[in-house]
Amino acid sequence: DVVMTQSPLSLPVTLGQPASISCRSSQSLVYSDGDTYLNWFQQRPGQSPRRLIYKVSNRDSGVPERFSGSGSDTDFTLKISRVEAEDVGVYYCMQGTHWPPTFGGGTKVEIK
Amino acid sequence: QVQLMESGGGLVKPGGSLRLSCTASGFSFSDYYMSWVRQAPGKGLEWVSSISFSGNTIYYADSVRGRFTISRDNTKNSLFLQMNSLRAEDTALYYCAKNEHFDNWGQGALVTVSS
Repeated sequence: DVVMTQSPLSLPVTLGQPASISCRSSQSLVYSDGDTYLNWFQQRPGQSPRRLIYKVSNRDSGVPERFSGSGSDTDFTLKISRVEAEDVGVYYCMQGTHWPPTFGGGTKVEIK
Repeated sequence: QVQLMESGGGLVKPGGSLRLSCTASGFSFSDYYMSWVRQAPGKGLEWVSSISFSGNTIYYADSVRGRFTISRDNTKNSLFLQMNSLRAEDTALYYCAKNEHFDNWGQGALVTVSS
């Protein structure tokens, strides 16, 4: 199975400041169709996960522009340009290129 | 809007069985793969199983293969997960998710396996 490794485990951020989460995969996530199936999910406290980003850099409907995804092959990043209080929670990357789908261990974003 | 609602969770003894259901609305159910993802208390997300549009193609995580069975009824916009031979390590919140890329999630059904 593809192993997804996130860092850091915990990310204390000052309101209004940027935040960045790294996700690395144990093998290339480029699929045979040329797309890269790397998604990012947000899970606020007490809530179900919500997909934020699909195929590396595409924001889902309703996701604020301050969230952006980038990367290629095995190295990916989720950035929040200016953290707001509602961004507190755990963020997961997930690969859907290879079966089975696998998630990273999560990064907990909290306010300093 | 897309809505997914799980039901059927509960407390069961080790070795017991439980059947989860997920009722979908707001999209054309039969046009999408559907999946189950679980989250043990205080832990991360673990994919459990996915099923194709018609049910002809099914995938399971190694941890549940041979014990869990995923199925669907497109006439009732419903997804199911039959869980047999349950173990303590199956204790988790089980989420129903739309397609194999999990673009929408339900609120989850709690399954607790304990004697």
